[in-house]
Amino acid sequence: GAVVSQHPSWVICKSGTSVKIECRSLDFQATTMFWYRQFPKQSLMLMATSNEGSKATYEQGVEKDKFLINHASLTLSTLTVTSAHPEDSSFYICSARDGGGAGGLSTDTQYFGPGTRLTVL
Amino acid sequence: QKEVEQNSGPLSVPEGAIASLNCTYSDRVSQSFFWYRQYSGKSPELIMSIYSNGDKEDGRFTAQLNKASQYVSLLIRDSQPSDSATYLCAAESGNKLTFGTGTQLKVEL
Repeated sequence: GAVVSQHPSWVICKSGTSVKIECRSLDFQATTMFWYRQFPKQSLMLMATSNEGSKATYEQGVEKDKFLINHASLTLSTLTVTSAHPEDSSFYICSARDGGGAGGLSTDTQYFGPGTRLTVL
Repeated sequence: QKEVEQNSGPLSVPEGAIASLNCTYSDRVSQSFFWYRQYSGKSPELIMSIYSNGDKEDGRFTAQLNKASQYVSLLIRDSQPSDSATYLCAAESGNKLTFGTGTQLKVEL
């Protein structure tokens, strides 16, 4: 159990375009999903917390109009990087938490997706 | 500012030895603590979680928690070359994880 997928695994885009990244919990229902960003040689920085059916909560310094998050179902959250620029190039990782604990998973453990490497030219 | 501090390393240990990784945290409210392993270019993989003071063992891994000292550690017994990775310590409070910068472990043949 506790499998989280992300798509795409990598993407290269031109400056000014938008990129959508999907995060899915495959075998449990994720009431809460998290989006992180990791620059080389640095740790994971939380960008936003996404709760199913409600607006995402963004961390200080993260532009909500640039990083659009939608959590439309209990198994899917999307992050759209709008008008991407080279400084947005990073490793974007989502995680999901099993809110119900029905699958025997701890309700406070975050399970990470494989990440999406974004390169903006 | 909630902080989780780790020595960045690299920590080099010979194969078969015990690797000891340490972490301190600043938020006394934190109740849950996690160790993740991250290979280069990959996302973090959960190794251990610990919630109570004392030791928790799982195979070759032992996590130790001391809330009074705000200290968490991870011991890896019989270290293998495949254990070479960056180990991230994380503390949870307010339903969010705060990560340390990670300790790079190198297990040498």
